[in-house]
Amino acid sequence: DTAVSQTPKYLVTQMGNDKSIKCEQNLGHDTMYWYKQDSKKFLKIMFSYNNKELIINETVPNRFSPKSPDKAHLNLHINSLELGDSAVYFCASSPGTGKTEAFFGQGTRLTVV
Amino acid sequence: AQSVTQLDSQVPVFEEAPVELRCNYSSSVSVYLFWYVQYPNQGLQLLLKYLSGSTLVKGINGFEAEFNKSQTSFHLRKPSVHISDTAEYFCAVSAGNTGKLIFGQGTTLQVKP
Repeated sequence: DTAVSQTPKYLVTQMGNDKSIKCEQNLGHDTMYWYKQDSKKFLKIMFSYNNKELIINETVPNRFSPKSPDKAHLNLHINSLELGDSAVYFCASSPGTGKTEAFFGQGTRLTVV
Repeated sequence: AQSVTQLDSQVPVFEEAPVELRCNYSSSVSVYLFWYVQYPNQGLQLLLKYLSGSTLVKGINGFEAEFNKSQTSFHLRKPSVHISDTAEYFCAVSAGNTGKLIFGQGTTLQVKP
């Protein structure tokens, strides 16, 4: 069974469109994250939720909006997609917010054309 | 603020040779340190972690790392690499109580036959 699963795995869309990426974890973790990996493979955190509450909101354009309907799910909605949004987006989860590692999904490769 | 520097962007090595991937971190508070591996088109998998205690930590696939507080380093080592170890390796630090991971730039390990 996949611990952290994201859908879709690949997403190709035109500039200006709105798209969503879904993430679900079956590990019973309280905390979930979105990370962005750019074309140079650099990873940077975007958001974090703990028990459905937003606890990290890095400097991300307002076009990106996370939503956590329950602590097992964290979705990422992106409005008015731009070429620069092309990247791999990783969802992750962890048991808490301190002394523990994060478990990552397989990633969603978003290509904006 | 915390930061992580991986000193080598690419490390080519022959099969069965030893390898060391270097990682230095900067932090004004106690840190937790991690090494993750990313195989092509996959998510990140935890190799090992340092949370406290013994400074020599052993991980999966024969990897180990040593936490050196005085040198603020957490270098990853393997005594004998395999072709299957070819991947991208990321060092990460977590500090504070948000669970946020700050990643290094990554090191591409290329194992040649």
